[in-house]
Amino acid sequence: DTGVSQNPRHKITKRGQNVTFRCDPISEHNRLYWYRQTLGQGPEFLTYFQNEAQLEKSRLLSDRFSAERPKGSFSTLEIQRTEQGDSAMYLCASSRTGGGNIQYFGAGTRLSVL
Amino acid sequence: GDSVTQMEGPVTLSEEAFLTINCTYTATGYPSLFWYVQYPGEGLQLLLKATKADDKGSNKGFEATYRKETTSFHLEKGSVQVSDSAVYFCALSESQGAQKLVFGQGTRLTINP
Repeated sequence: DTGVSQNPRHKITKRGQNVTFRCDPISEHNRLYWYRQTLGQGPEFLTYFQNEAQLEKSRLLSDRFSAERPKGSFSTLEIQRTEQGDSAMYLCASSRTGGGNIQYFGAGTRLSVL
Repeated sequence: GDSVTQMEGPVTLSEEAFLTINCTYTATGYPSLFWYVQYPGEGLQLLLKATKADDKGSNKGFEATYRKETTSFHLEKGSVQVSDSAVYFCALSESQGAQKLVFGQGTRLTINP
């Protein structure tokens, strides 16, 4: 069990650029979540996958955001045409069905949009 | 929608003091309740959980009891240590569907020796 891995740890980009983050969940976990955390706040839910199916998306997830989980393994979160308001920590978590909904979090990707 | 409210921080205590961090929630169903902790430079870690009314979650000397009548899940520890300095998040999740976590805003705790 190597834990949830997120890459990159830090990303600095200019406004208007596209960015992509990767999350590798714990290998036997079928559920995968993305959250966003801004300074001084708790994480906010963005989207949820069960295996490869994206089953729920938050209203926070604008059209510029897209997430995938091909083959139910790793997941990517892409932000197109980044805005300064997208600056935040993006967290990935995974869990398994029947595991008491204990979600294991990665260390996050910190995005700074200049 | 569901929500979680935590006591405002930051909280500063001396070592061996008693700790309480208040947490109340609003939910339409019967949620599970969690406390997560974030140590400096690290990711969120589950501290304890409770899944139904009157359940007590405990770990590392921390305790919290699921109080349905007061919709609360206050975190307590009898004697804190410097190593307990961290940010603590109360959270809930519904028992069905996505089971996404809804977090409070977090409480930063600093323990002085």
